[in-house]
Amino acid sequence: EDQVTQSPEALRLQEGESSSLNCSYTVSGLRGLFWYRQDPGKGPEFLFTLYSAGEEKEKERLKATLTKKESFLHITAPKPEDSATYLCAVQGGGGGNKLTFGTGTQLKVEL
Amino acid sequence: GAGVSQSPSNKVTEKGKDVELRCDPISGHTALYWYRQSLGQGLEFLIYFQGNSAPDKSGLPSDRFSAERTGGSVSTLTIQRTQQEDSAVYLCASSFNRQETQYFGPGTRLLVL
Repeated sequence: EDQVTQSPEALRLQEGESSSLNCSYTVSGLRGLFWYRQDPGKGPEFLFTLYSAGEEKEKERLKATLTKKESFLHITAPKPEDSATYLCAVQGGGGGNKLTFGTGTQLKVEL
Repeated sequence: GAGVSQSPSNKVTEKGKDVELRCDPISGHTALYWYRQSLGQGLEFLIYFQGNSAPDKSGLPSDRFSAERTGGSVSTLTIQRTQQEDSAVYLCASSFNRQETQYFGPGTRLLVL
């Protein structure tokens, strides 16, 4: 059974204070690892897909990296508008086409 | 372009009543998914439709839950004889095909009293 664990559960940063969110996973045949952002009362918004160890993707202040056991979402010089819950999910080779999600990291960036 | 839409956005019902939740996927997307997000828990897969293939119902928690997809587009998730533990946000997602990124709708917030 695919499993995803995210840490920390919550993170409070000052504006401009860079940090990283962790996503550890176990999966049978990784087909893709996904990062989403979710604002309160809204559906998850797609950020990145990573397919193989060593892959990196960037978008504005966010950078996602992938190893064989975990993924990191690096946030550089965050702004208050980056405050949200960040969700990690995996799509495994043996589990049909569903995504298995972690419980997320709730990020708050303060002025 | 238009994203995934869901209706209603909120639904309050009494225990024992049936509810129907609707999802309109992104135009041209052949794959459609339903997930449930309960307070403090991760998104939980419910059911998956791909084209005309038989749906993957492996995530449905009980036989009170069912879903259909008409004409390869709109989908309806039906919960019969609702229970308080069914209270959650029900999210729909669609993708161009089963290999591609899933894009989510805004969800339906269901409260069973």
